[in-house]
Amino acid sequence: AQSVTQPDIHITVSEGASLELRCNYSYGATPYLFWYVQSPGQGLQLLLKYFSGDTLVQGIKGFEAEFKRSQSSFNLRKPSVHWSDAAEYFCAVGTGANNLFFGTGTRLTVIP
Amino acid sequence: EAGVTQFPSHSVIEKGQTVTLRCDPISGHDNLYWYRRVMGKEIKFLLHFVKESKQDESGMPNNRFLAERTGGTYSTLKVQPAELEDSGVYFCASSWDRGPFYGYTFGSGTRLTVV
Repeated sequence: AQSVTQPDIHITVSEGASLELRCNYSYGATPYLFWYVQSPGQGLQLLLKYFSGDTLVQGIKGFEAEFKRSQSSFNLRKPSVHWSDAAEYFCAVGTGANNLFFGTGTRLTVIP
Repeated sequence: EAGVTQFPSHSVIEKGQTVTLRCDPISGHDNLYWYRRVMGKEIKFLLHFVKESKQDESGMPNNRFLAERTGGTYSTLKVQPAELEDSGVYFCASSWDRGPFYGYTFGSGTRLTVV
């Protein structure tokens, strides 16, 4: 069965510091992978997605993620965090069906 | 273009009452999805409409939940009677084509609290 694990419930970083949010998935075939962000009062916004090809994908707002098949991981990174990045981040896997399987989310707090 | 609109944004009801959530998708989007996040848990798929037809309702938790999409435009999700475990955030999403690969647009969700 498909599953997504985000091991960090809450992360706090200083503004300007680098960020890495972890995501591991369980799926028997090549997955379709996504990162979404939810800011307070907003809907889920797609940051980036991976279907195939280059395993390092670039997204919006300066985010990138790297697909590592051997580790079943799709970690999200940003070299320098801005205060506006404070939000909740969700990793998700799509399996070819019409729906997504999400992780439990990681809440990011940014300290000035 | 207008985004996906959900209302109410918050609802507090007593156990045993009925609540109806509404989702207005982006105009022209045939595909409409409902998801739910129970506190502290993952966001889970509930069901998928293509126009007015239920394409997949495998995620609906039980028969207290009824989703409709009359005319293939807006959708409603009714919970009757509500139980404590129904509390959570209900998200709606829409897309031009099937599957998340073509780009879902999510609404901001309805936070349901059953007391």
